Amino acid sequence: GAGVSQTPSNKVTEKGKYVELRCDPISGHTALYWYRQSLGQGPEFLIYFQGTGAADDSGLPNDRFFAVRPEGSVSTLKIQRTERGDSAVYLCASSLIGTGYGANVLTFGAGSRLTVL
Amino acid sequence: AQSVTQPDIHITVSEGASLELRCNYSYGATPYLFWYVQSPGQGLQLLLKYFSGDTLVQGIKGFEAEFKRSQSSFNLRKPSVHWSDAAEYFCAVGLPGSSNTGKLIFGQGTTLQVKP
Repeated sequence: GAGVSQTPSNKVTEKGKYVELRCDPISGHTALYWYRQSLGQGPEFLIYFQGTGAADDSGLPNDRFFAVRPEGSVSTLKIQRTERGDSAVYLCASSLIGTGYGANVLTFGAGSRLTVL
Repeated sequence: AQSVTQPDIHITVSEGASLELRCNYSYGATPYLFWYVQSPGQGLQLLLKYFSGDTLVQGIKGFEAEFKRSQSSFNLRKPSVHWSDAAEYFCAVGLPGSSNTGKLIFGQGTTLQVKP
Protein backbone atom coordinates (compact mmCIF):
# COMPACT_ATOMS: atom_id res chain seq x y z
CA GLY A 1 0.00 0.00 0.00
CA ALA A 2 0.88 3.66 -0.10
CA GLY A 3 1.63 3.89 3.60
CA VAL A 4 1.88 1.78 6.74
CA SER A 5 -1.58 0.73 7.84
CA GLN A 6 -2.42 -0.26 11.42
CA THR A 7 -5.62 -1.76 12.75
CA PRO A 8 -7.47 -1.24 14.95
CA SER A 9 -6.83 2.45 15.47
CA ASN A 10 -8.34 2.16 18.94
CA LYS A 11 -8.79 -0.86 21.18
CA VAL A 12 -10.31 -0.88 24.64
CA THR A 13 -10.04 -4.10 26.58
CA GLU A 14 -10.29 -5.40 30.10
CA LYS A 15 -7.40 -6.47 32.27
CA GLY A 16 -6.48 -10.06 31.62
CA LYS A 17 -7.81 -10.21 28.06
CA TYR A 18 -5.86 -11.12 24.92
CA VAL A 19 -5.25 -8.50 22.23
CA GLU A 20 -3.95 -8.58 18.66
CA LEU A 21 -2.73 -5.51 16.79
CA ARG A 22 -2.11 -5.66 13.05
CA CYS A 23 0.38 -3.86 10.84
CA ASP A 24 0.41 -3.79 7.04
CA PRO A 25 3.72 -2.28 5.90
CA ILE A 26 4.56 -0.51 2.67
CA SER A 27 4.65 -3.00 -0.17
CA GLY A 28 8.20 -4.20 -0.80
CA HIS A 29 9.60 -3.07 2.53
CA THR A 30 11.53 -5.98 3.96
CA ALA A 31 12.04 -4.63 7.47
CA LEU A 32 9.22 -4.07 9.95
CA TYR A 33 9.39 -2.55 13.43
CA TRP A 34 7.09 -2.31 16.43
CA TYR A 35 7.45 0.55 18.89
CA ARG A 36 5.43 1.45 21.98
CA GLN A 37 4.68 5.03 22.94
CA SER A 38 3.42 5.67 26.46
CA LEU A 39 1.73 8.93 27.36
CA GLY A 40 4.19 11.81 27.40
CA GLN A 41 7.09 9.68 26.19
CA GLY A 42 8.92 9.04 22.98
CA PRO A 43 8.50 5.76 21.14
CA GLU A 44 10.40 2.78 22.55
CA PHE A 45 11.62 -0.07 20.38
CA LEU A 46 9.95 -3.45 20.87
CA ILE A 47 10.89 -5.79 18.02
CA TYR A 48 12.27 -5.79 14.49
CA PHE A 49 11.61 -8.24 11.65
CA GLN A 50 13.83 -8.80 8.65
CA GLY A 51 11.58 -10.76 6.32
CA THR A 52 9.72 -13.40 8.30
CA GLY A 53 12.14 -13.69 11.19
CA ALA A 54 12.49 -11.58 14.29
CA ALA A 55 15.99 -10.14 13.98
CA ASP A 56 15.88 -8.31 17.31
CA ASP A 57 13.22 -8.75 20.01
CA SER A 58 15.24 -7.19 22.81
CA GLY A 59 12.63 -4.52 23.48
CA LEU A 60 9.71 -6.84 24.27
CA PRO A 61 8.98 -6.14 27.95
CA ASN A 62 8.10 -9.72 28.97
CA ASP A 63 6.81 -13.02 27.65
CA ARG A 64 3.23 -11.76 27.47
CA PHE A 65 4.25 -9.92 24.30
CA PHE A 66 4.78 -11.78 21.05
CA ALA A 67 4.86 -10.77 17.39
CA VAL A 68 4.77 -12.66 14.12
CA ARG A 69 5.25 -11.93 10.45
CA PRO A 70 4.57 -15.30 8.81
CA GLU A 71 4.75 -14.26 5.14
CA GLY A 72 7.18 -11.40 5.42
CA SER A 73 4.55 -8.73 4.96
CA VAL A 74 1.74 -8.22 7.50
CA SER A 75 2.71 -8.46 11.15
CA THR A 76 0.63 -9.05 14.25
CA LEU A 77 1.61 -7.97 17.75
CA LYS A 78 -0.02 -10.20 20.35
CA ILE A 79 -0.42 -9.32 24.02
CA GLN A 80 -1.62 -11.96 26.47
CA ARG A 81 -3.16 -11.32 29.88
CA THR A 82 -3.17 -7.58 29.36
CA GLU A 83 -2.36 -5.29 32.26
CA ARG A 84 -3.23 -1.65 32.82
CA GLY A 85 0.42 -0.77 32.29
CA ASP A 86 0.18 -2.05 28.72
CA SER A 87 -1.98 0.95 27.83
CA ALA A 88 -0.09 2.90 25.16
CA VAL A 89 0.01 3.66 21.47
CA TYR A 90 1.64 0.84 19.54
CA LEU A 91 3.41 2.10 16.44
CA CYS A 92 4.48 0.07 13.47
CA ALA A 93 7.12 1.20 10.97
CA SER A 94 8.73 -0.26 7.91
CA SER A 95 11.85 0.36 5.87
CA LEU A 96 12.97 -0.77 2.46
CA ILE A 97 15.98 -2.67 3.78
CA GLY A 98 16.93 -4.12 7.12
CA THR A 99 20.53 -3.15 7.60
CA GLY A 100 23.08 -0.86 6.09
CA TYR A 101 22.94 2.69 4.82
CA GLY A 102 19.35 3.93 4.73
CA ALA A 103 18.00 1.04 6.80
CA ASN A 104 17.00 3.37 9.59
CA VAL A 105 14.84 5.62 7.44
CA LEU A 106 11.48 4.50 8.76
CA THR A 107 7.92 5.16 7.65
CA PHE A 108 5.53 4.99 10.58
CA GLY A 109 1.88 4.11 10.73
CA ALA A 110 -0.66 6.17 12.70
CA GLY A 111 -0.60 3.68 15.55
CA SER A 112 -3.03 1.55 17.52
CA ARG A 113 -4.11 3.08 20.80
CA LEU A 114 -4.62 0.36 23.41
CA THR A 115 -6.49 1.08 26.62
CA VAL A 116 -6.62 -1.60 29.28
CA LEU A 117 -9.32 -1.01 31.88
CA ALA B 1 23.88 3.26 27.49
CA GLN B 2 22.82 5.41 24.59
CA SER B 3 20.30 8.14 25.35
CA VAL B 4 18.62 11.14 23.80
CA THR B 5 17.62 14.20 25.80
CA GLN B 6 15.19 16.88 24.73
CA PRO B 7 15.47 19.41 27.57
CA ASP B 8 12.31 21.34 26.69
CA ILE B 9 9.07 19.45 27.26
CA HIS B 10 6.88 22.30 26.08
CA ILE B 11 7.65 25.41 24.01
CA THR B 12 5.33 28.23 22.99
CA VAL B 13 6.26 30.65 20.20
CA SER B 14 4.35 33.31 18.33
CA GLU B 15 3.49 32.75 14.70
CA GLY B 16 6.24 34.21 12.53
CA ALA B 17 8.86 33.93 15.25
CA SER B 18 11.94 31.77 14.96
CA LEU B 19 12.17 28.37 16.60
CA GLU B 20 14.92 26.21 18.02
CA LEU B 21 14.29 22.82 19.60
CA ARG B 22 17.18 21.29 21.48
CA CYS B 23 18.43 17.72 21.31
CA ASN B 24 21.46 16.16 22.99
CA TYR B 25 22.59 12.58 22.68
CA SER B 26 24.89 10.30 24.59
CA TYR B 27 26.81 7.81 22.50
CA GLY B 28 30.44 6.80 22.08
CA ALA B 29 30.59 7.66 18.41
CA THR B 30 28.62 9.79 16.00
CA PRO B 31 25.23 8.18 15.53
CA TYR B 32 22.75 8.75 12.78
CA LEU B 33 20.42 11.58 13.82
CA PHE B 34 16.78 12.23 13.03
CA TRP B 35 13.97 14.64 13.76
CA TYR B 36 10.37 13.44 13.51
CA VAL B 37 7.12 15.37 13.89
CA GLN B 38 3.89 13.90 15.22
CA SER B 39 0.54 15.66 14.85
CA PRO B 40 -2.48 14.42 16.83
CA GLY B 41 -3.79 11.17 15.37
CA GLN B 42 -0.99 11.04 12.83
CA GLY B 43 2.04 8.83 12.50
CA LEU B 44 5.54 10.09 12.98
CA GLN B 45 6.76 11.98 9.92
CA LEU B 46 10.46 12.31 9.16
CA LEU B 47 11.55 15.96 8.99
CA LEU B 48 15.23 15.45 8.31
CA LYS B 49 18.18 13.18 8.94
CA TYR B 50 21.95 13.36 9.35
CA PHE B 51 24.21 10.50 8.39
CA SER B 52 27.49 12.22 7.57
CA GLY B 53 28.99 15.15 5.67
CA ASP B 54 27.65 18.69 5.86
CA THR B 55 26.62 19.34 9.45
CA LEU B 56 23.76 21.66 8.46
CA VAL B 57 20.90 19.55 7.18
CA GLN B 58 17.85 20.82 5.35
CA GLY B 59 14.52 19.09 5.76
CA ILE B 60 10.91 19.38 4.78
CA LYS B 61 8.53 22.19 5.75
CA GLY B 62 11.36 24.72 6.00
CA PHE B 63 13.13 23.01 8.92
CA GLU B 64 16.87 22.63 9.29
CA ALA B 65 19.11 21.07 11.92
CA GLU B 66 22.76 21.46 12.80
CA PHE B 67 24.96 18.66 14.09
CA LYS B 68 27.59 19.84 16.57
CA ARG B 69 29.94 17.02 17.49
CA SER B 70 31.63 18.98 20.27
CA GLN B 71 28.30 19.51 22.02
CA SER B 72 26.71 16.15 21.10
CA SER B 73 23.76 18.16 19.86
CA PHE B 74 21.42 18.15 16.90
CA ASN B 75 19.14 21.16 17.34
CA LEU B 76 16.17 21.76 15.06
CA ARG B 77 15.48 25.25 13.74
CA LYS B 78 12.95 27.13 11.67
CA PRO B 79 13.25 30.85 10.83
CA SER B 80 9.53 31.60 10.86
CA VAL B 81 6.97 29.36 12.51
CA HIS B 82 3.50 28.79 11.03
CA TRP B 83 0.42 27.86 13.04
CA SER B 84 0.40 24.48 11.29
CA ASP B 85 3.76 23.65 12.88
CA ALA B 86 2.07 23.08 16.24
CA ALA B 87 2.81 19.42 17.01
CA GLU B 88 5.12 17.17 18.99
CA TYR B 89 8.70 16.89 17.85
CA PHE B 90 10.98 13.95 18.52
CA CYS B 91 14.72 13.69 18.17
CA ALA B 92 16.08 10.19 17.58
CA VAL B 93 19.40 8.44 17.10
CA GLY B 94 20.25 5.32 15.15
CA LEU B 95 23.37 3.33 15.72
CA PRO B 96 25.82 3.04 12.81
CA GLY B 97 28.11 0.18 11.94
CA SER B 98 27.02 -3.40 12.44
CA SER B 99 24.02 -2.20 14.43
CA ASN B 100 22.75 -0.09 11.58
CA THR B 101 19.07 -0.93 11.57
CA GLY B 102 15.84 0.94 12.20
CA LYS B 103 16.17 0.38 15.93
CA LEU B 104 16.06 4.01 17.00
CA ILE B 105 16.32 5.65 20.40
CA PHE B 106 13.91 8.53 20.80
CA GLY B 107 13.89 11.51 23.10
CA GLN B 108 10.78 12.16 25.16
CA GLY B 109 9.58 14.83 22.79
CA THR B 110 8.93 18.58 22.76
CA THR B 111 5.41 19.89 22.36
CA LEU B 112 5.29 23.05 20.26
CA GLN B 113 2.42 25.47 20.72
CA VAL B 114 2.07 28.38 18.28
CA LYS B 115 0.34 31.57 19.40
CA PRO B 116 -1.51 33.62 16.78
